[in-house]
Amino acid sequence: GQQVMQIPQYQHVQEGEDFTTYCNSSTTLSNIQWYKQRPGGHPVFLIQLVKSGEVKKQKRLTFQFGEAKKNSSLHITATQTTDVGTYFCAGEGGSEKLVFGKGTKLTVNP
Amino acid sequence: NAGVMQNPRHLVRRRGQEARLRCSPMKGHSHVYWYRQLPEEGLKFMVYLQKENIIDESGMPKERFSAEFPKEGPSILRIQQVVRGDSAAYFCASSPIALVAGVTDTQYFGPGTRLTVL
Repeated sequence: GQQVMQIPQYQHVQEGEDFTTYCNSSTTLSNIQWYKQRPGGHPVFLIQLVKSGEVKKQKRLTFQFGEAKKNSSLHITATQTTDVGTYFCAGEGGSEKLVFGKGTKLTVNP
Repeated sequence: NAGVMQNPRHLVRRRGQEARLRCSPMKGHSHVYWYRQLPEEGLKFMVYLQKENIIDESGMPKERFSAEFPKEGPSILRIQQVVRGDSAAYFCASSPIALVAGVTDTQYFGPGTRLTVL
């Protein structure tokens, strides 16, 4: 079945450093979504990418969808302590369900 | 505008008991998804339901687990004869339209039910 892999599993940065998480799917995706889950909280939708090569920005967050629509990345510029949490990508490949990656847990040292 | 509601937020059961988890989707949403999350793990899809219909239950264990979304009332995830391995956070999400290839709507997650089996 469809698999979505994320790396790294953990990332610890100093406040102000950049952070990137990568997502790879075993199959071509119709679209990809990104979610953030704070410690003890629930996943919160961040963004959806649909087009091949698409790039979207939300303040310090930049999301990319690969040309082949099999990979994606989330980049955070100049991390802040409020960025702490686990970032999940979720791919939808036409099977009417989202397949989530295992997430990248980000910790930020002030 | 109330979000997705789940109750209870925390549930403790002894081995062999039944666990009932409830989810009320956002107003106007008719599609419900259940996920299980183990500590330090991602979200694993369990089941996708519409009102009175199970659309996809491919992620649900064949035994002891069942789900429903009746015409009236919340969606229920039921786990019979719980075992320690069932301990996890169970999240419900809702969306206003179905996941159709290329037309995926945002899923709104509830706060989850943390199930602990003693």
